[in-house]
Amino acid sequence: KNEVEQSPQNLTAQEGEFITINCSYSVGISALHWLQQHPGGGIVSLFMLSSGKKKHGRLIATINIQEKHSSLHITASHPRDSAVYICAVRLRNQFYFGTGTSLTVIP
Amino acid sequence: DVKVTQSSRYLVKRTGEKVFLECVQDMDHENMFWYRQDPGLGLRLIYFSYDVKMKEKGDIPEGYSVSREKKERFSLILESASTNQTSMYLCASSLWAQGNTIYFGEGSWLTVV
Repeated sequence: KNEVEQSPQNLTAQEGEFITINCSYSVGISALHWLQQHPGGGIVSLFMLSSGKKKHGRLIATINIQEKHSSLHITASHPRDSAVYICAVRLRNQFYFGTGTSLTVIP
Repeated sequence: DVKVTQSSRYLVKRTGEKVFLECVQDMDHENMFWYRQDPGLGLRLIYFSYDVKMKEKGDIPEGYSVSREKKERFSLILESASTNQTSMYLCASSLWAQGNTIYFGEGSWLTVV
């Protein structure tokens, strides 16, 4: 049973396109996280959300608590955005992760 | 700047060897985690610790043990490495209190031959 489902699994976009990655979860949570993993390993936290919307540069994250759904948007995508994007939820002291969305942005 | 440091980036070990993966965080975090990441399976929790000398099994603890003797250090031990333990291992930490994010190390690529 997967507490966190992400879609799509893989995504290829042309530079400049608007990108949306979706995340649905099935448990009551204290916060939802969007993480980014570049080839080679290290994972960094992009956003932590418990309600509403957050924006950082070209990245926007939204969450709908009632629907248990979050989206990560990238505006004016660029090849350096190519990475795996992972949705994670925190429930008490545990984190549950989606399997990730592999994004490739082609110049 | 917050930091989670994993001792080895790339390791190649033989089947049956004992393997130690070390992780140190400098943020005074209570929670520390060891995950394993495999293609198509995402991050799977091996063990986590919420305090010194405390540990709890995650989803896939078989074949692994952990040690947390000091708050800043969390070690993962493969008692007798096997080829199916070839994987990327990620250490992470977070504060106990909710509303705080999780921080990851750079990862350790382990190959067991």
